[in-house]
Amino acid sequence: QSAPTQPASVSGSPGQSITISCTGTSSDVGGYNYVSWYQQHPGKAPKLMIYDVSNRPSGISNRFSGSKSGNTASLTIYGLQAEDEADYYCSSHTTYNTLVLFGGGTKLTVL
Amino acid sequence: QVQLQQSGPGLVKPSQTLSLTCAISGDSVSSNSAAWNWIRQSPSRGLEWLGRTYFKSKWYNDYAVSVRSRITINPDTSKNQFSLQLNSLTPEDTAVYYCARGAAPWTCDYWGQGTLVTVSS
Repeated sequence: QSAPTQPASVSGSPGQSITISCTGTSSDVGGYNYVSWYQQHPGKAPKLMIYDVSNRPSGISNRFSGSKSGNTASLTIYGLQAEDEADYYCSSHTTYNTLVLFGGGTKLTVL
Repeated sequence: QVQLQQSGPGLVKPSQTLSLTCAISGDSVSSNSAAWNWIRQSPSRGLEWLGRTYFKSKWYNDYAVSVRSRITINPDTSKNQFSLQLNSLTPEDTAVYYCARGAAPWTCDYWGQGTLVTVSS
């Protein structure tokens, strides 16, 4: 099975909004509402930003929003801030015996 | 506040066994509402989920097929921690290894600090 596909990079200016896509298959992203999004700054552990497609953990800004349509999940960040610059990874449960797949990651640059 | 503290060696020889421990504070390894995961990250393989242990009336384990023949994840209720053992190491197992809690299915909400493990003679 292949990892969900994410764009290698996205960029935006402070105050703008950006969307990162995560495209899988009906066996993973499209088949379950178990999509999560993680933010990772260099040298740090990943941080959960969104789980179950669109739920935000306590303490996560409502500038972060998740959604899904078919086999593609999306993370939208509104009102970009400098501290949002990081790598972002999606993950999904999968019917394959890998059980969890991570996307390849997207580097967000705040211009 | 949940905290996970990892410990273990940073250098392991090829063919040997990696042993890492993740000490839990702020939650219980025996919780009926959490799973305890190991994930690794390398430039070549990206983020890779390895497996988990969890308790729901009895102990369960799930492992990724890529490591299923080599991995063991065990809870230690007396010390409130869980461990990873990965045997028959090769240089391809070189990675940063993370432990993480999952309070919702198939997600990880709290992570350990990471341990860089290098497999080299």
